[in-house]
Amino acid sequence: GQQLNQSPQSMFIQEGEDVSMNCTSSSIFNTWLWYKQDPGEGPVLLIALYKAGELTSNGRLTAQFGITRKDSFLNISASIPSDVGIYFCAGNSGGSNYKLTFGKGTLLTVNP
Amino acid sequence: GAVVSQHPSWVICKSGTSVKIECRSLDFQATTMFWYRQFPKQSLMLMATSNEGSKATYEQGVEKDKFLINHASLTLSTLTVTSAHPEDSSFYICSASRTGYRSTEAFFGQGTRLTVV
Repeated sequence: GQQLNQSPQSMFIQEGEDVSMNCTSSSIFNTWLWYKQDPGEGPVLLIALYKAGELTSNGRLTAQFGITRKDSFLNISASIPSDVGIYFCAGNSGGSNYKLTFGKGTLLTVNP
Repeated sequence: GAVVSQHPSWVICKSGTSVKIECRSLDFQATTMFWYRQFPKQSLMLMATSNEGSKATYEQGVEKDKFLINHASLTLSTLTVTSAHPEDSSFYICSASRTGYRSTEAFFGQGTRLTVV
């Protein structure tokens, strides 16, 4: 089945630093999504990408859909303490199947 | 917009009893809903895909007789864990895709922490 490799697994950074995480896939995806999950909560959609090469921003967050359609990255600029959480990438291969395949997540810790 | 509400947020039940979890799309219609299970410090594992008015599609290894899914309307799907056992304790999360929008843009409920004692 499809697999998503998400890295890094965890990150410890100082407030104000920039963060980058990425996902790679063993197969082509038509959609890449990035979510953030706080402890005990459901994931919240941050950015959705639908076209190869697409670069989309949401405030301090920027994500790109790789041109090979097998990878995506998420950048967070000028991190703040509330950025702490687990970030998941998710992909969909299209067709009538709307199922998402999730990466294993990146745990982000921001030190004030 | 695109709010998904899941209830209850947590539940403790005795072994052998059944528990029902509700997932509602509050401000949109959801033709398709998904049920996930998440273990501590792990990613989300898809259990089943729920389509309004039809039988759910279960992922390999998920017992459909144990995890009953009903999607009776465009705004409500329910997951019933039947004859629950301690190993069923987990965090269960639903998601919904908006009908008529990009259906891969899924929105998640708050999750339900199930503890079976």
